[in-house]
Order: sequence, then structure tokens, then C-alpha cells
Amino acid sequence: QSVLTQPPSASGTPGQRVIISCSGSSSDIGSNPVNWYQQLPGTAPKLLIYRDNRRPSGVPERFSGSKSGTSASLAISGLQSEDEAHYYCASWDDSLSVSYWVFGGGTKLTVL
Amino acid sequence: QITLKESGPTVVKPTETLTLTCTLSGFSVSASGAGVGWIRQPPGKAPEWLALIYWDDDTRYSPTLKSRLTITKDASKNQVVLTMTNMDPVDTATYYCSRLTSDKVFGLVIPSSYHFDFWGQGTLVTVSS
Repeated sequence: QSVLTQPPSASGTPGQRVIISCSGSSSDIGSNPVNWYQQLPGTAPKLLIYRDNRRPSGVPERFSGSKSGTSASLAISGLQSEDEAHYYCASWDDSLSVSYWVFGGGTKLTVL
Repeated sequence: QITLKESGPTVVKPTETLTLTCTLSGFSVSASGAGVGWIRQPPGKAPEWLALIYWDDDTRYSPTLKSRLTITKDASKNQVVLTMTNMDPVDTATYYCSRLTSDKVFGLVIPSSYHFDFWGQGTLVTVSS
């Protein structure tokens, strides 16, 4: 069972705006940045958003991230067919004497 | 161009020890502020972080797997090695290595900015007798 909670699925039609949520706790999202990854079938995860809302070079502006309290969101505007993929959130948990990375269970985005 | 490439056995038997190597290109495993992590992903499931080694040899491990994992680096070969003991069929997964990087201000690492940016293609490891 993943530490970070995501809805298992989301969908939208081309051109729509879709939001994917990621819920955590005070020891992970509540006190550390959130990163988002996109994973196309058969490929490695690709970094989409880091430090809650920063986009690496090459990631389109229609991908954006936000965070409030112990929850984070990934928004995709102007949905395109190539956005159909799994999306994972990740953060750092420092609730114990040792710290560790945690991932969400993933959201499968379907473009209708 | 930054690349990472995992190598190792594709099949291991239960109770055996798995050794995986991540070969880096385009950045140094000893670069200040950087690190390399291992993440695995069972078929059809979410990624699970396993271990991390920083540029200064500091290491971090998943609390649930710590007793089975060892991560080391060889700066001369620019490689990071992960060993996992006592393999079990539930350990069947694609194993990825990934660069951990950070933002810097005036050359100093911002600790809260760490994130995995570049990933290897992954290697599928099946545990079966």
C-alpha cells in the first residue's frame, strides 16, 4: 500500500483540463516538496514537476503543480491524446529517525 | 547528455542475492549535491523507492527493506551498485536507477529541492526457481 494516496483513474476529452490529486500527511507532503512523474507504457518515469510547482526544461506549460497543506495536485490543461499515461506523485517522509522517499499509487489518465 | 543504464541478471532464484549496477554518463557520481537512487516497480504497480547514495557517500535505505539492501559507488568507474539479499518472488520487478539532483543558491545545495530527474531504462528482474 502506497503512502501517498491518488485516485486510481482519471479521464478527459481533448482540450479539457484535468486535475489529479495526491494526499499525504504532515511528515511527507505537509513538510516536504512534491514531485510528479509521467510514465508512458513500457517506459521509465519522466519528471514533470518538482518542488511542488516547478517544471524542468522541456515540459510544456500546460502541466502545472500546486500544494496546500498535506495535499498536492497536478493539473493538465489543453489535454492531448499523448497525455494518456500513468501519473505518480512523490515526496520525502521524515517521520521516523530515518527519512525515505515515498510514491503515490498512481493515476491512470485516459483521454477519451 | 545525461544517461543511466542498469545491468544485472534478468532471473535470480529465491534466497539468492541480486547485484545490480548502474553506469552513469554525462555526470559524476561524486558531483557535489548529486546522488543516485534505486527504485523498483512490480508489474502493474507503483514505483517503490529502495536506496540512495549521495555524492559524499551518505546512504539512505527504505525502512522496510533496509536489512536486505546495500548501496555503494565506484567513482573510478562512475557506477553505483545495489545488492539485495534473500530474493523472493515478490521482489520480481523492473529495477530503475535515477539521478538525484538539487537546486543550488550561490553554489550551495537547497536540501528541500532534491528530486529524481533522469532515469535509466530499467531492467526487469524475475525471481523464480
